[in-house]
Amino acid sequence: EVQLVESGGGLVQPGGSLRLSCAASGFVFSSYSMYWVRQAPGKGLVWVAHISRDGSATEYADSVKGRFTISRDNAKNTLFLQLNSLTVDDTAVYYCTKGSDAWGQGTLVTVSS
Amino acid sequence: DVVLTQSPLSLPVTLGQSASISCRSSQSLVSSDGNTYLMWLRQRPGQSPRRLIQIVSNRDSGVPDRFSGSGSGTDFTLTVSRVEAEDVGVYYCMQATYWPHTFGQGTILEIK
Repeated sequence: EVQLVESGGGLVQPGGSLRLSCAASGFVFSSYSMYWVRQAPGKGLVWVAHISRDGSATEYADSVKGRFTISRDNAKNTLFLQLNSLTVDDTAVYYCTKGSDAWGQGTLVTVSS
Repeated sequence: DVVLTQSPLSLPVTLGQSASISCRSSQSLVSSDGNTYLMWLRQRPGQSPRRLIQIVSNRDSGVPDRFSGSGSGTDFTLTVSRVEAEDVGVYYCMQATYWPHTFGQGTILEIK
């Protein structure tokens, strides 16, 4: 069974940083591109970042480019998202997803002073 | 970015009746490999999204055959036949032909 378990969310002040993790199991992690998607409270879904199978290629939504960094450790079956220079507009549940066919439960990031 | 426009945004349905959701894209979603990467997902209250349909019309494993997807190019439809109480939630279309992938605004399906 495919499982994606996010962690690392929490309350952070504007301008602060967080590192999100996503532990993957039940599939060959290194064979799949991976993604982060976020959902602000009461709002819709928005793609944030993508990383290729070997980590050599990454892409970002314009809203996070230069502030967020996606990475992966295929030896540990783990996906990461480093969030820097956070603003209140980054407040959201962040989901790790294997394409669109498997999703984690999400981790809440709240940016507030 | 590709804009996906869903309609209606709210869909009250009587149990046992059918419901249809439209998704229109700002440009053709046919990929260079010939596939059309238009998906449908549902998000129940308090839950993560779940994909129901991939590549326009292919149901994911475990999805009842009451769910069907159709369309081509820029116009797509999700149809839910014989709506059941468990079908309530927000339905999103999503395109994965172009980066950034994009979602529609979501359609709230509720029982009358």
